[in-house]
Parts: sequence; C-alpha cells; structure tokens
Amino acid sequence: AQSVTQLDSQVPVFEEAPVELRCNYSSSVSVYLFWYVQYPNQGLQLLLKYLSGSTLVKGINGFEAEFNKSQTSFHLRKPSVHISDTAEYFCAVKSYQKVTFGTGTKLQVIP
Amino acid sequence: SAVISQKPSRDICQRGTSLTIQCQVDSQVTMMFWYRQQPGQSLTLIATANQGSEATYESGFVIDKFPISRPNLTFSTLTVSNMSPEDSSIYLCSVEDLQGTTEAFFGQGTRLTVV
Repeated sequence: AQSVTQLDSQVPVFEEAPVELRCNYSSSVSVYLFWYVQYPNQGLQLLLKYLSGSTLVKGINGFEAEFNKSQTSFHLRKPSVHISDTAEYFCAVKSYQKVTFGTGTKLQVIP
Repeated sequence: SAVISQKPSRDICQRGTSLTIQCQVDSQVTMMFWYRQQPGQSLTLIATANQGSEATYESGFVIDKFPISRPNLTFSTLTVSNMSPEDSSIYLCSVEDLQGTTEAFFGQGTRLTVV
C-alpha cells in the first residue's frame, strides 16, 4: 500500500515571498512522484514529475521540487510567488499504475 | 499529451435521479479513470474503465451506483445513480498518456450538487 501526506492544509504567503509545500509519502516499492495544481473550478494540471535521475525537478510556472529518498519527501518550492499562484496543490505517487493523491494544500498568495 | 473534454461542467440534480457524465479524449487511450473529489477533500479513485471489458471498481464503489461505459478508445461515461446529497462532489475523468510518460491528464471536472 502507498500513502501521501501533505502536512499543511493551507499556506498563506505574501506576494514575491518564497514558498515550500510539503509532501511525504510511504511505499514499499519504487514510485513516481507528481505535483498537480488545481485552479478554482478547473481540473488538475501537472506541475512537475519525478521518474528517475536528478533529484531536483523543475516544472512549469517557476516551481521546482526535490526528491529525498531517505526522508521519503517531495517538497514543492517556488522562490517568489505571484497572485496567480493562488490555487490548491496536490502531491501524488504512482506505482503499478495506481495513483494516490494527498489531501491537498491551498496556497493563498496575499498581495 | 491528451486533451479531455468532460460534460456537463456542472449540474444541480434532484435526489433519487441519475446523471451521466461524458468524457471525450482527443486520442486513443487504453485506460480511463474516474475520480471523485468531495468538498474539501482529495481525489478518490472510483474505477478504471478499460475498453472491451467491465470497469474495475475500487473498494467502496459498486457498479450499481456508478455504472461505467467504455464503448471505444476515446470515450467513456460515468453515471451517478439514485443520487443523494452525499453524492455532491466534483467528478473527474483522467487518462494516461499513451506515450508512456506516466503522468495522468484530467478533464475539467463535473461539479455535481444534489438537492
């Protein structure tokens, strides 16, 4: 069985400040890792993914994430957030074609 | 990548009725997935729809309540039957890229309110 924990349900941050959204996972097998973003009244859009190789992954909209195998973490970061980054962010893990999503973190960017 | 069109985008339905949600993909895909996202919660997989065979349901979901059709490689429907207010959720269709990039693509979702 696999699981995903997003420790923060809501993260308020001022515009142009850095942000980190935390994600920890557990799995008995190797997994692929993803971050998705969901804007209000929309579906999910892939931000970035880790399949193998370099542990630092860069995605769209200036986001990046670092895979840490020893800590089973895949935290999402952005050095300077914009108002348009206000959305809900989901961490997900995949193994054997089964995808498990975290409970989501609502990022609120304050002007 | 895959472009997914999901209809309707939202609906308000009376309890006891049924609603069928359509999912159309712009390319052929082997597996299509249906998720439910209850208010304030994450995504929960309802079932996997394979063309030419019956859908595979996750624990807690049954075919009588959520019948699924998959008539071809680009289309699927999910029906929410005999609805109750507890069925009020966002329902999302998802596919995986045939190119083997492993990521899932999502439709815009159907926001269902049962009154």
